[in-house]
Amino acid sequence: GQQVMQIPQYQHVQEGEDFTTYCNSSTTLSNIQWYKQRPGGHPVFLIQLVKSGEVKKQKRLTFQFGEAKKNSSLHITATQTTDVGTYFCAGLETSGTYKYIFGTGTRLKVLA
Amino acid sequence: ETGVTQSPTHLIKTRGQQVTLRCSSQSGHNTVSWYQQALGQGPQFIFQYYREEENGRGNFPPRFSGLQFPNYSSELNVNALELDDSALYLCASSAYNEQFFGPGTRLTVL
Repeated sequence: GQQVMQIPQYQHVQEGEDFTTYCNSSTTLSNIQWYKQRPGGHPVFLIQLVKSGEVKKQKRLTFQFGEAKKNSSLHITATQTTDVGTYFCAGLETSGTYKYIFGTGTRLKVLA
Repeated sequence: ETGVTQSPTHLIKTRGQQVTLRCSSQSGHNTVSWYQQALGQGPQFIFQYYREEENGRGNFPPRFSGLQFPNYSSELNVNALELDDSALYLCASSAYNEQFFGPGTRLTVL
């Protein structure tokens, strides 16, 4: 079945440094979503990418969808302590069933 | 807040018992998905309901079953609980693609 892997698993950065997490799927994705989950919280939707090569920005966050629609990345510029949490990508699988496959997540810690 | 509510917040059961978890979706959302999230892992898709019909299922055994009601609220039932069923159970409602997650039910199986 489809697998979605994320790297790195953990990342500690100094406040103000940049951060990037990468998401790789074993199969082509229809679309990809990104979520943030704070410790003890639930996943919160950040963005959805649909088109090959798509790039979207939300303030300090930049999201990319690969040309082959099998990988994606999330880049945070000048991290802040409020960025702490686990970032998940979720790829949409539509072959046979309609379901989102979540990645393994990248846990970000920001040191003040 | 997302407007998605789940009950109960926490639950402790023993192996072999049965459990029912409930989810009220956001107003206007006709699709509900259920996920299991083990500690330190990403959410694993259990199944999805659209207008009271199951229209997608992950790799979970038949003892995981669900319902969606006419008001689009939903239930997740788990029979014959096993220790590995201990996890956070999340429901997510959606109208299009964006999923709004509830706070989850923390299930502990002893």
